[in-house]
Parts: sequence; C-alpha cells; structure tokens
Amino acid sequence: KAGVTQTPRYLIKTRGQQVTLSCSPISGHRSVSWYQQTPGQGLQFLFEYFSETQRNKGNFPGRFSGRQFSNSRSEMNVSTLELGDSALYLCASSLVAGDRDYSGANVLTFGAGSRLTVL
Amino acid sequence: GDSVTQMEGPVTLSEEAFLTINCTYTATGYPSLFWYVQYPGEGLQLLLKATKADDKGSNKGFEATYRKETTSFHLEKGSVQVSDSAVYFCALSDPMFSGGYNKLIFGAGTRLAVHP
Repeated sequence: KAGVTQTPRYLIKTRGQQVTLSCSPISGHRSVSWYQQTPGQGLQFLFEYFSETQRNKGNFPGRFSGRQFSNSRSEMNVSTLELGDSALYLCASSLVAGDRDYSGANVLTFGAGSRLTVL
Repeated sequence: GDSVTQMEGPVTLSEEAFLTINCTYTATGYPSLFWYVQYPGEGLQLLLKATKADDKGSNKGFEATYRKETTSFHLEKGSVQVSDSAVYFCALSDPMFSGGYNKLIFGAGTRLAVHP
C-alpha cells in the first residue's frame, strides 16, 4: 500500500513569506502528526490531528498552524518565515490517536519529509 | 519533563563488527520505547519497539531490551553491514505526560558509518 506522501519535497522561501506543506497519510490512518527536524534542535513534535481536530500541540509559536481535512489529509502552515524555520518537516500517520493500537504501542509511519530553506 | 539521551556519534565500524548504541530515558509515566532509523534523504523508519519493562524488540538483526531499573534501551547488532549506515534515533512516547500516544520524544540521533 502507498506510504505517507509529503509535498513538496523541497522548497525555498524568503524571510517574511509563508509556506504550506501537505501530507497524505496511509489509507485508513486517521491520525497525522508533524515534526520539525533541525541540526540544532533535533526532532521536535509540532502537533497532531485526528478527525479534523488538533489533539496535541508542541511548544512552537503561533506562526505554526495546521489542519486536517475529512479525508485525513493534513496541511501545516508557517507564516512570517524566519531563518530558523529552515528544517526538514516530517509528517507521520497512525491508525489511532489517544489509545494504544493493537500492537500495544502506536506505531508512527513517517513520510520522506519536506525540506524548507528560508533565505 | 521526559527526555531521551543517546550516545554521541559518529560511530564508525568495520563490516561484521558488533554494534551498541546507548540510549537512556527519563519519563514520568510508563513509556513505550522505540528505535527509528533514517537513511540519507529519507524519512524515519521504525526499526523496533518495546512497550513494557523487560520486553525485547527485534528486527533485521537489531535488538533492544526495555530495562526499567536502568532506564535504558540500548540498541545492539551482532554483525553490522555497510547497508546499516544511517542515523539511529531512540524515542519514547509517554501518554501520561504528553497526553497522547502519538507524541514522540526523540534523542539527538547517532550516526553510524560502516566500512567494508
């Protein structure tokens, strides 16, 4: 089956602009989480969506936002871009949210990421 | 708060050498523990997991045992291959602390380079 698809894979923006990234989860997965990966801060949780509702949020400023559609596809948006927003943004999908899945621990399946460069 | 600490890399080994990557954690509740691997230019792939104390996760020759007494989840492989060269991340989910099972806390990652 198809994996988690993220678009675009690469993009370059300038400071002050905004960007929208897209994530299509594995078919049947209803939870989508977003992570930011940078050399300095490593992998950090941004937020999670389930059934079009934000279920959990990390410690990021309000410039970072997201949403989920009825087909479980998700988008994240970063407004007023700063140089420090340059990162690999990873999306992950999971069958369920809030409860353990059948294996006893939710397994996240990650996409290949969207690499954002802010100039 | 919860955290994960991994040994710093890079770890450089010859093919067929024994691999250990250390991982220790701090958690409020009863976390699940994971090892993810990231190959160049790709996203993260789940390598193995363990959900409770003394569980052993294993996959593709890699193993890790959930040790609650030492709060550790060290990754081991008896004989590494060049194709194992990648970055390895130890992670935990602790819903009692984070409010959900899908929020992972990652270590900094350990880069492994295996030479022929």
